[in-house]
Amino acid sequence: DTGVSQDPRHKITKRGQNVTFRCDPISEHNRLYWYRQTLGQGPEFLTYFQNEAQLEKSRLLSDRFSAERPKGSFSTLEIQRTEQGDSAMYLCASSQGSGYEQYFGPGTRLTVT
Amino acid sequence: AQTVTQSQPEMSVQEAETVTLSCTYDTSESNYYLFWYKQPPSRQMILVIRQEAYKQQNATENRFSVNFQKAAKSFSLKISDSQLGDTAMYFCAFMKESGSNYKLTFGKGTLLTVNP
Repeated sequence: DTGVSQDPRHKITKRGQNVTFRCDPISEHNRLYWYRQTLGQGPEFLTYFQNEAQLEKSRLLSDRFSAERPKGSFSTLEIQRTEQGDSAMYLCASSQGSGYEQYFGPGTRLTVT
Repeated sequence: AQTVTQSQPEMSVQEAETVTLSCTYDTSESNYYLFWYKQPPSRQMILVIRQEAYKQQNATENRFSVNFQKAAKSFSLKISDSQLGDTAMYFCAFMKESGSNYKLTFGKGTLLTVNP
């Protein structure tokens, strides 16, 4: 069990650029979640996959954000035309079946300059 | 919609002493789960303890225990014999049982510092 991994761990980009983050869940986990955590706040739900299907998206996820989980394995989160307000820690978590414990990755810290 | 409130932004405790972190929540759901997660500095979030709302008995995990008051919608975390490694952000989180999306709703967190 190697845990949930995320890549990159840190990303600095200029406003207006596109960025993509990757999450590799625990191998047998069929559920995958993306959260965003800003300074001084708890994580906020962004979107959820069950296998390859994206079943729910938060209103926080503007049309500049898109997420995929091809083949129900790893997931990518892309932000187009980044804005300074997108600066945050992006967390990925996975869980298995009816299990309620979510296992979190180390996060990707995005800084938009 | 569910909300989770942690009213203590920061707390500190001396090593080996006991500390209690507070959490209240608001929901119209009758079946749900409550969690405490720990996020050490620059490290990933890990689950500390979980409570099912239908269980009257308070959950306990080694030095960590909860006081779950369903009617009052209160869910506090007690850490006994505090250790330096307990220094972290602690988040209270809610998960409703119904539906298929087991997303977590988090509070803003409490920064706990354990002093030697």
